[in-house]
Amino acid sequence: RKEVEQDPGPFNVPEGATVAFNCTYSNSASQSFFWYRQDCRKEPKLLMSVYSSGNEDGRFTAQLNRASQYISLLIRDSKLSDSATYLCVVNIGSYGGSQGNLIFGKGTKLSVKP
Amino acid sequence: EADIYQTPRYLVIGTGKKITLECSQTMGHDKMYWYQQDPGMELHLIHYSYGVNSTEKGDLSSESTVSRIRTEHFPLTLESARPSHTSQYLCATGDRAGQYFGPGTRLTVT
Repeated sequence: RKEVEQDPGPFNVPEGATVAFNCTYSNSASQSFFWYRQDCRKEPKLLMSVYSSGNEDGRFTAQLNRASQYISLLIRDSKLSDSATYLCVVNIGSYGGSQGNLIFGKGTKLSVKP
Repeated sequence: EADIYQTPRYLVIGTGKKITLECSQTMGHDKMYWYQQDPGMELHLIHYSYGVNSTEKGDLSSESTVSRIRTEHFPLTLESARPSHTSQYLCATGDRAGQYFGPGTRLTVT
């Protein structure tokens, strides 16, 4: 089983739609979680961290389920500019610890159509 | 957000040449990383550093080497470039809030 698994998509949705991505991770010792966004031929950019209590940033909501070892990203009212690949990222180490490397998923491709 | 710079942005070079990809950051982050990514594929960690004089190999075997003599600088060197090294190389820094990527160097070895 891969350490971080995502549905590669693509998810093709119309503007204004709500879309959700899930991601599962295998290491129960994982400490922190993130969603990154990567545009075609660009570098990944941090979209948001994922907290145990769930967190929201505008149209984006991230949730963590430690018991089932998955995280989710919900995008409401999709815009054309949301088209990108969304990377699920897991840190198996503690903050500042020697195992602080991030494990990146392969990404889920989203295409928002007019 | 970290300020992180990579040069060159694009490089086309012949087989057998030695190349150094530069990465520098102005945020004072101790942690720095090099990733390799082919088009449409996942990121692979090839090197990382937790501070000056600290370097480690990542998950993906790489023929490249790195050095960390100064906090702000983390260059990657290929002693003898081959066509199999053609890829995008992304440098990143890290803190508790996540990792921040530079714009990348797109390398083509002919």
